[in-house]
Amino acid sequence: QVQLQESGPGLVRPSETLSLTCIVSGDSISGYYWSWIRQPPGKGLEWIGYIYDSGTTNYNPSLQSRVTISVDTSKNQFSLKLSSVTAADTAVYYCAKSIAPSWNYFDPWGQGTLVTVSS
Amino acid sequence: DIVMTQSPDSLAVSLGERATINCKSSRSVLYSSNNMNYLAWYQQKPGQPPNLLIRWASTRESGVPDRFSGSGSGTDFTLTISSLQAEDVAVYYCQQYYSTPLTFGGGTKVEIK
Repeated sequence: QVQLQESGPGLVRPSETLSLTCIVSGDSISGYYWSWIRQPPGKGLEWIGYIYDSGTTNYNPSLQSRVTISVDTSKNQFSLKLSSVTAADTAVYYCAKSIAPSWNYFDPWGQGTLVTVSS
Repeated sequence: DIVMTQSPDSLAVSLGERATINCKSSRSVLYSSNNMNYLAWYQQKPGQPPNLLIRWASTRESGVPDRFSGSGSGTDFTLTISSLQAEDVAVYYCQQYYSTPLTFGGGTKVEIK
């Protein structure tokens, strides 16, 4: 059974770059689509983007200029970088799996990691 | 972008009673070539990640109790909990996967009356 675990700093300074990694266990990262989704405290869900094992990416246009998602198939993990962060980027960040670009519902999800943007 | 609008924002239902959550998309999420609705429902309990309940608008995931059902087509969808249990207290989200950017509804909080 595939499991996902996010890791990274819980505090990021304004204007700096948020960096998170999602480690995939129980299955190969190859052949699937891997997304980042975030949820500001007490608010709803926002899809950030996804990556395929070939490196193909698709980003939410609202964040595209600041987002980079990459994959390391040798380590069975993928990563998120979000640059020039502000307080509005404070959120729980989740990684999640989907099967195909036309089957982009998310299952499973990682437990999530809270990232706070503050000086 | 396809905007997903859920209603109500919250509802309180007595144990054993029916709970109905609505989700409306700004454009149809029905793919004509396969007659499938690209719509999923999730349940999120406090402190937990969302959990996939239903995909393709009405296909229940393995292990999901059959009191949960999804219906609708095109732009209008419904998640029904036929007999609310205490463990169903959660926020429920719909999500369209018809096109990117993938988008979610704002969520509906279900509580016990």
